[in-house]
Amino acid sequence: GAGVSQSPSNKVTEKGKDVELRCDPISGHTALYWYRQSLGQGLEFLIYFQGNSAPDKSGLPSDRFSAERTGGSVSTLTIQRTQQEDSAVYLCASSLQEGYGYTFGSGTRLTVV
Amino acid sequence: EDQVTQSPEALRLQEGESSSLNCSYTVSGLRGLFWYRQDPGKGPEFLFTLYSAGEEKEKERLKATLTKKESFLHITAPKPEDSATYLCAVQAFEDGSEKLVFGKGTKLTVNP
Repeated sequence: GAGVSQSPSNKVTEKGKDVELRCDPISGHTALYWYRQSLGQGLEFLIYFQGNSAPDKSGLPSDRFSAERTGGSVSTLTIQRTQQEDSAVYLCASSLQEGYGYTFGSGTRLTVV
Repeated sequence: EDQVTQSPEALRLQEGESSSLNCSYTVSGLRGLFWYRQDPGKGPEFLFTLYSAGEEKEKERLKATLTKKESFLHITAPKPEDSATYLCAVQAFEDGSEKLVFGKGTKLTVNP
């Protein structure tokens, strides 16, 4: 597609439930990034993929968070046993190669009630 | 640890009133400094990449400059449609990671 697509755009879930967030990067972009943006906070790095491998998972906040990427394309971020502090906007970005600007999706707004 | 600090946190300007936003950073191996614009409810939109001290880039009313310790985003004769949050991010070589480290942004409001 023309841009980075994320789904769903909004998700409300009950505390303790699992959620899956999806990211479709720009075709041909080998690098894919997940960030989290909480109210009043900057973008917090979660994980980075190069192809299907994740060289940097250092930003995942806990073992409840995991991500995978298949076929060098679509990525899924999974949050297990959601907590209220997981409420945030989850942003995905892709880039053609290092040193190039990332293209971001519009994000998934996750609300845990 | 890499640090990116943006100032001011918020800035209100009258239409036509030029000003500058600041981004200071502490990284030992800068690969690139990026500026983004973010509108409410949307993802950040790429504006510029700067790679070395002394470099400048321009786009319409925006001009970004870079020194060894900071970057400025100059806004000349802003219009209300320039209202947004402006984010600065750095990509560093030192830890071998490809990730960008973002500042918290400057929220710019331009009043007509």
